[in-house]
Amino acid sequence: QVHLVQSGAEVKKPGASVTVSCKTSGYPFTGYYIHWVRQAPGQGLEWLGWINPNRGATTFAPKFQGRVTMTRDTSMRTVYLVLSRLRSDDTAVYFCAREGGNSGYDDLDHWGQGTLVTVSS
Amino acid sequence: DIVMTQSPDSLGVALGERATINCRSSQSVWDSSNNKNNLAWYQQKPGQPPKLLIYWASNREPGVPDRFTGGGSGTDFTLTIDSLQAEDLAVYYCQQYYSNPITFGPGTTVDIK
Repeated sequence: QVHLVQSGAEVKKPGASVTVSCKTSGYPFTGYYIHWVRQAPGQGLEWLGWINPNRGATTFAPKFQGRVTMTRDTSMRTVYLVLSRLRSDDTAVYFCAREGGNSGYDDLDHWGQGTLVTVSS
Repeated sequence: DIVMTQSPDSLGVALGERATINCRSSQSVWDSSNNKNNLAWYQQKPGQPPKLLIYWASNREPGVPDRFTGGGSGTDFTLTIDSLQAEDLAVYYCQQYYSNPITFGPGTTVDIK
């Protein structure tokens, strides 16, 4: 059974960086892209980008280019999102999600539980 | 960016009745390389992550009840929920995965009339 389990809530000050982890199980880790999507309080869904765990290749939404990093540890079956230079409007629940296909552009068929990141001085 | 819009913003439906949600993309999400629409629908309940319902515009994800039906092509899509059940009360999002950045509609809230 596919599972994505994310790290716990974080509180950060403006200008800091945050790391959110997503530990996977139940499927071949290197066979599926992992995407990151966030949701500000009471708002809709916003896509940040994806990582291909096979080779570590990444693609980011232009809005986050230069501020986001995605990495993976294949031995731990875990992917990481790092968002830097945090602002108050980065306050959101961050989700990792497994892609159903194998292209970087496909539906998201399994999701983590979400990690609340609060940015506040 | 492909902008996704949804209508209505919210929808009150009696239990057992049909709900229809519309989604429009600012440009076509039809992929001629595979003859598919790169469009998905998700359901999100409070405090939970989104759940995939429909992919390629009209394919139901395994385990999703057959009262959920996706349709449309190109730029105009619909999600229909036949015989609404209490557990269907949620926010529904469409998503295009045709191009970067992947974008979502603003969501449609379905509640009981």
